[in-house]
Amino acid sequence: EVQLVESGGGLVQPGGSLRLSCAASGFTFSSYWMSWVRQAPGKGLEWVANIKQDGSEKYYVDSVKGRFTISRDNAKNSLYLQMNSLRAEDTAVYYCASSHGGAFDIWGQGTMVTVSS
Amino acid sequence: AIQLTQSPSSLSASVGDRVTITCRASQGISSALAWYQQKPGKAPKLLIYDASSLESGVPSRFSGSGSGTDFTLTISSLQPEDFATYYCQQFNSYPHAITFGQGTRLEIK
Repeated sequence: EVQLVESGGGLVQPGGSLRLSCAASGFTFSSYWMSWVRQAPGKGLEWVANIKQDGSEKYYVDSVKGRFTISRDNAKNSLYLQMNSLRAEDTAVYYCASSHGGAFDIWGQGTMVTVSS
Repeated sequence: AIQLTQSPSSLSASVGDRVTITCRASQGISSALAWYQQKPGKAPKLLIYDASSLESGVPSRFSGSGSGTDFTLTISSLQPEDFATYYCQQFNSYPHAITFGQGTRLEIK
């Protein structure tokens, strides 16, 4: 079964850090661009970051540049998002997704990140 | 960044109705557009990619059309399981500068 499973979400204070993980199974993880997409409570979808198959290219939405870092470990079939200097506006459900030609064809169930004091 | 504007923002319809949702891009994006369905508490599901290609396993009552700046998602005959929120997404500058529309909530009349 094709599956993405996120973990690592939780409650963190403003200015704090959190590392999200996404475990892939059922497909050739190393063959796909991978992404993080987030959704604030009651709001729409926002693309956060992309990483190339071999990790050599990474792209971010402007609002997280310099604070978030996307990475991957193809040997472990895993995707990561290191989030530093967290702000209240980063509060959201974070989804990992595989990207096929620009569209997101496989999604995880999401992990909730809450930034609050 | 390219902005996507969906219309309407919400829509009430009945089972069996034909429904059309529109997505307009702030500049031309060729056919670099996808459509997703999202139900409450669930992850989005890809329906259409490259503006008009139906994702494997998606019912044929869903169809997409358009190119350039104007796109439509059509559901030919609404089924009870189709009541959800729909999002368009552009990837003209992929792999960066990806944006989504604000969503269209489809409700039961």
